[in-house]
Amino acid sequence: DAGVTQSPTHLIKTRGQQVTLRCSPKSGHDTVSWYQQALGQGPQFIFQYYEEEERQRGNFPDRFSGHQFPNYSSELNVNALLLGDSALYLCASSSRRTAFFYEQYFGPGTRLTVT
Amino acid sequence: LAKTTQPISMDSYEGQEVNITCSHNNIATNDYITWYQQFPSQGPRFIIQGYKTKVTNEVASLFIPADRKSSTLSLPRVSLSDTAVYYCLVGDQGATSGTYKYIFGTGTRLKVLA
Repeated sequence: DAGVTQSPTHLIKTRGQQVTLRCSPKSGHDTVSWYQQALGQGPQFIFQYYEEEERQRGNFPDRFSGHQFPNYSSELNVNALLLGDSALYLCASSSRRTAFFYEQYFGPGTRLTVT
Repeated sequence: LAKTTQPISMDSYEGQEVNITCSHNNIATNDYITWYQQFPSQGPRFIIQGYKTKVTNEVASLFIPADRKSSTLSLPRVSLSDTAVYYCLVGDQGATSGTYKYIFGTGTRLKVLA
């Protein structure tokens, strides 16, 4: 049973560019959350998707957007990249259909470097 | 704003028991308390979760007093491979039933020495 997978593992972008990160949830999970983790800090919640809609959002600007597909996979898009967007981006999945929707399983992350 | 407070760092020796205490004074009635472990450049890994009293699994124990304003993660007989950052989390329920997000603080950096 595959866990949460993310792609790519690493990428380097230039300021002003746009980036798309991808996540496949753990088998049986229907909810995907995205977190940003700057070096030396704890992960910060970006947003959460369920039934292809954004259900919760953290304090992130509109440059951060997402999408969830019918197969529950998800994308995180960041436009007009800033140097401060350099971070580890984590995807976490959970299942709303069980009583344990608060159990989130994290992927290995995508390391984004903006130069 | 993080809803939990925990020590920034701790050192321990191999074979010792480690207890990390977390304060969550404003925990809501329906919040669970969850602990995660994170190694550098990896995603957080679930350790244990509880609501009240004591929970034990194969790797750790979690002690939660009756008022639930704090909790203690206990790691028995730590090894060098337990060197990591440990996060104590409570969550926020979303408007839609079943949606839940974690509020991470800066965690506790545990260093296990030989």
